[in-house]
Amino acid sequence: GDSVTQMEGPVTLSEEAFLTINCTYTATGYPSLFWYVQYPGEGLQLLLKATKADDKGSNKGFEATYRKETTSFHLEKGSVQVSDSAVYFCALSNSGSARQLTFGSGTQLTVLP
Amino acid sequence: NAGVTQTPKFQVLKTGQSMTLQCAQDMNHNSMYWYRQDPGMGLRLIYYSASEGTTDKGEVPNGYNVSRLNKREFSLRLESAAPSQTSVYFCASRAKSITGTSGSWGTDTQYFGPGTRLTVL
Repeated sequence: GDSVTQMEGPVTLSEEAFLTINCTYTATGYPSLFWYVQYPGEGLQLLLKATKADDKGSNKGFEATYRKETTSFHLEKGSVQVSDSAVYFCALSNSGSARQLTFGSGTQLTVLP
Repeated sequence: NAGVTQTPKFQVLKTGQSMTLQCAQDMNHNSMYWYRQDPGMGLRLIYYSASEGTTDKGEVPNGYNVSRLNKREFSLRLESAAPSQTSVYFCASRAKSITGTSGSWGTDTQYFGPGTRLTVL
């Protein structure tokens, strides 16, 4: 079945540091790939997505590129801020009509001033 | 638009008690989902409803039932709560995919509610 493997956390960075959170997936067909973010005490919000190979999703300074050859969708940001502290989830959507999401285990990011 | 709303926000139950978690969306979405979130395990799908009038099991359906009351509302019921059901529960919804001569496409994006934190003692 489909699966998502995400970089173990927690990750602690200083403000303005470079961020990479690794994500690899296993799936049949051509899934869509997502990064969701969860701020403390809140639900999940879509951060960015990519629907086909070589697509780059971007939002709020975050980027991720759909790499089919390495089955990866790593999240990057050039300069993190304290307000980026949250839990980040990588996910994929299968090709069935219900478009179920399969999530990674999440990576806790803390950015220190 | 309120998006996806869930009630209650917090609940404490004793083992064996029953309760229903409510979820509603005002985005006219066709599909709705219930997930549970446990530490270190991400979110796991409990049940989903691809469209009004249909429901299907997800990865972890045991101990739960669902009702798609109408297009807006999708409830999750615990008939006899167990400590293993202590978790944070999230509801989500998604717009309808569009199918044409080139195949099926459309939004895969799910929109999440704020969650219900349930503790079973």
